[in-house]
Amino acid sequence: ETGVTQSPTHLIKTRGQQVTLRCSSQSGHNTVSWYQQALGQGPQFIFQYYREEENGRGNFPPRFSGLQFPNYSSELNVNALELDDSALYLCASSLGSGGPTDTQYFGPGTRLTVL
Amino acid sequence: AQSVTQLGSHVSVSEGALVLLRCNYSSSVPPYLFWYVQYPNQGLQLLLKYTSAATLVKGINGFEAEFKKSETSFHLTKPSAHMSDAAEYFCAVSDRANQGGKLIFGQGTELSVKP
Repeated sequence: ETGVTQSPTHLIKTRGQQVTLRCSSQSGHNTVSWYQQALGQGPQFIFQYYREEENGRGNFPPRFSGLQFPNYSSELNVNALELDDSALYLCASSLGSGGPTDTQYFGPGTRLTVL
Repeated sequence: AQSVTQLGSHVSVSEGALVLLRCNYSSSVPPYLFWYVQYPNQGLQLLLKYTSAATLVKGINGFEAEFKKSETSFHLTKPSAHMSDAAEYFCAVSDRANQGGKLIFGQGTELSVKP
């Protein structure tokens, strides 16, 4: 059991709306990463936060933003939703500072559908 | 840019047969390599990782993978498949210079196990 939880499990939004997805990391894990997994694809890195600061970002537009809080929780915010944003959103926490060999522990994901 | 290719989007084996899932990476410098498994409606779970120690890496549930620099490969094997091994498997790489925690995933291979 990884201890990483995400809410909600499923979410349906319409194009143009805004959405906030939440993640609770394992206690003591100072790093959280977010990934987007489209149907039939591997996860794609959105960004990573270490001690409440963005530590790295993938090829996603600025309408994807995040926050990390001192209590090991974090948020992924997406503005101006597009149909292509429909995907499974995964968060992953790690014990280290976000280095390349850190083991990332994944939550079960939030399934977002944009209509 | 780094990339990962998983040959075969779907592999089917009989229970008790050898499991072989293929992963090739593209990088001028040998990266760090990971295999993750994803069961339905669950997040990703780390099976094993290569961090430039031993080239033969043993993981959980009887899986192992061998890093072959000359072939730029990191194939996942298990001598004898169990029904419980049916899942989606992802190979991933991270850059040695990467301090932003970015994992680059392959497209995934769905493993089916026939009784």
